[in-house]
Amino acid sequence: GDSVTQMEGPVTLSEEAFLTINCTYTATGYPSLFWYVQYPGEGLQLLLKATKADDKGSNKGFEATYRKETTSFHLEKGSVQVSDSAVYFCALRTRAGSYQLTFGKGTKLSVIP
Amino acid sequence: DGGITQSPKYLFRKEGQNVTLSCEQNLNHDAMYWYRQDPGQGLRLIYYSQIVNDFQKGDIAEGYSVSREKKESFPLTVTSAQKNPTAFYLCASIEGGPNSPLHFGNGTRLTVT
Repeated sequence: GDSVTQMEGPVTLSEEAFLTINCTYTATGYPSLFWYVQYPGEGLQLLLKATKADDKGSNKGFEATYRKETTSFHLEKGSVQVSDSAVYFCALRTRAGSYQLTFGKGTKLSVIP
Repeated sequence: DGGITQSPKYLFRKEGQNVTLSCEQNLNHDAMYWYRQDPGQGLRLIYYSQIVNDFQKGDIAEGYSVSREKKESFPLTVTSAQKNPTAFYLCASIEGGPNSPLHFGNGTRLTVT
């Protein structure tokens, strides 16, 4: 079945540091890939997405590129802020079925001033 | 503003009692989902519904029940048969199509003692 593997956290960075959160996947067919962010006590919000190989999703300074050859969708940001502290989830959806998402376990990011 | 409303935000129950979590959306989305979130576990799918009066079991449906009598509403009942009901519950909906993102509510934290 489909699965998503994220790097384990927590990740602690100083403000303005470079961020990478690794995400690899296993799926049949050609999935769409997503990154969601969850702030404390809230639901998940879509951060970015990519729907085909070599697509780059970007939003709020975050980027991720759909790499089919390595089945990866790593999240990056060049300079993190304290306000980026949250839990980040990588997810995929295959074309067939119910449109449900398969999520990774999440990576907690803490950014310190 | 359109969105998904989950209520209440916090819910406390005694063991052996059934409890119903509310989820209402005004996005006119056909498909709705219930996820359970536990620390370090990511999100796991409980039930989903793609159309009124129809719903399907997800990966961890045992001890839960749902109904979908109206397009806007998808309540989740946590029954006394659920062995470990204490968790954060998230409701989501989707407009449709494999590239559409899930929209999430802000969740209900259920504590059973």
